[in-house]
Parts: sequence; C-alpha cells; structure tokens
Amino acid sequence: EVQLVESGGGLVQPGGSLRLSCAASGFTFSSYEMNWVRQAPGKGLEWVSYISSSGSTIYYADSVKGRFTISRDNAKNSLYLQMNSLRAEDTAVYYCAREGYSSGAADYWGQGTLVTVSS
Amino acid sequence: AIRMTQSPSSFSASTGDRVTITCRASQGISSYLAWYQQKPGKAPKLLIYAASTLQSGVPSRFSGSGSGTDFTLTISCLQSEDFATYYCQQYYSYRTWTFGQGTKVEIK
Repeated sequence: EVQLVESGGGLVQPGGSLRLSCAASGFTFSSYEMNWVRQAPGKGLEWVSYISSSGSTIYYADSVKGRFTISRDNAKNSLYLQMNSLRAEDTAVYYCAREGYSSGAADYWGQGTLVTVSS
Repeated sequence: AIRMTQSPSSFSASTGDRVTITCRASQGISSYLAWYQQKPGKAPKLLIYAASTLQSGVPSRFSGSGSGTDFTLTISCLQSEDFATYYCQQYYSYRTWTFGQGTKVEIK
C-alpha cells in the first residue's frame, strides 16, 4: 500500500525556519517525481515545489522561490522541504504528493502537516 | 502563468442529481487536466486525469470531458459520499501545477 506521511510542522515565528519531511513507503520512491502542495486555512490548493526522481531537476512557485528548498534522499525514501524566512502567508497545511507515471497528476497524497507562522 | 477558473464556486444538490462543474483555463492546455475531490480535514483524492481518464478505483458515476480551455466534471447520480469540494488542476505548464479555486457541493 502506498503511504506518504508528513512530519515537521508546527508553530514558528515570522522570519523563522522549519523543515518538513515526507516518509514514503509501499512503492519504489526513487522512481517517482514528487511535489509539495499547500492549503491555507479555508482556502484552495497551491502548488509549492517539484523535484525529479533523481533530484536533479527542481522547480518552485514564485511565492516561495529563494526561501524554500526541496530535496530528497532516495536511500531513506524521504522527501524534504526546508522553509526559511517564513511569513504569515506561509501558514497552511503542507502535503507531499506523488506524481503518477501515466497520469502526470498527483495520484497519492500524504495526510498533511500544519505549519503556522505567527508571533 | 496559467489561471484556472471553476464555476460555480458552490452549489446545493440532492442525492440522485446529475451535477456538472466547469473549469476554464486562461490558455490552451490540451488535455493536461485533472480533477480532485477533497473532504474536510482530508487530503485531496485524484478522480480524473488527462481530462477524461478515470483513476483506478473511482466510481464510474464520475466522468470528465473537454480539451483546450474548457473542461467539465460530471457526477451522474450524486451519492451522499460525494458531498465535498472539487478542484481542477492543469499540468500542461511544465513542472508547475495550477489549481482552480474549488467548487463546494453541498446537500440541499
């Protein structure tokens, strides 16, 4: 069974940092492209970042470029999101999502981890 | 950036109804469109990709159509478990996804 489990969320002050993790199981993690998607409270979905299966290709939404860093450790079946210079508008549930081979869309999602940026 | 606009933003319906949600892209995206269902407190679930291909395990009462800029999601016979928020998503723009604002389907 495919599972994605996020962790690392919490309360952080504006300007602070946080590192999110996503532990993958039930599939060959190293073969799949991965993404982070976030959802502010009561709002819609916003794509945050993409990483290729090898980690060699990375993309970011303009809203987080220069502040967030996506990475992965295929040996540990894990995806990461390092978030620096956090702002109140970064408050959201952060989901990791697997990109399906045939679909090109997000075929599996984690349960999400809440990041709250507030003083 | 490609913008995705869904309509309506919300509506009420009864079980057994046939419902249609529309998604419009600000530029042509071929068939690189997906639909997701999200229930409160849960992660989104993929329903349809490539505009009209049903994801494995999704009931056949869900269907999608369209290409280019205009797309629809249809639920042929609304069930109680279908009351949720639905999102369209484009993946035509290379390695950057854009979602619609969502359509909430509520019980009448």
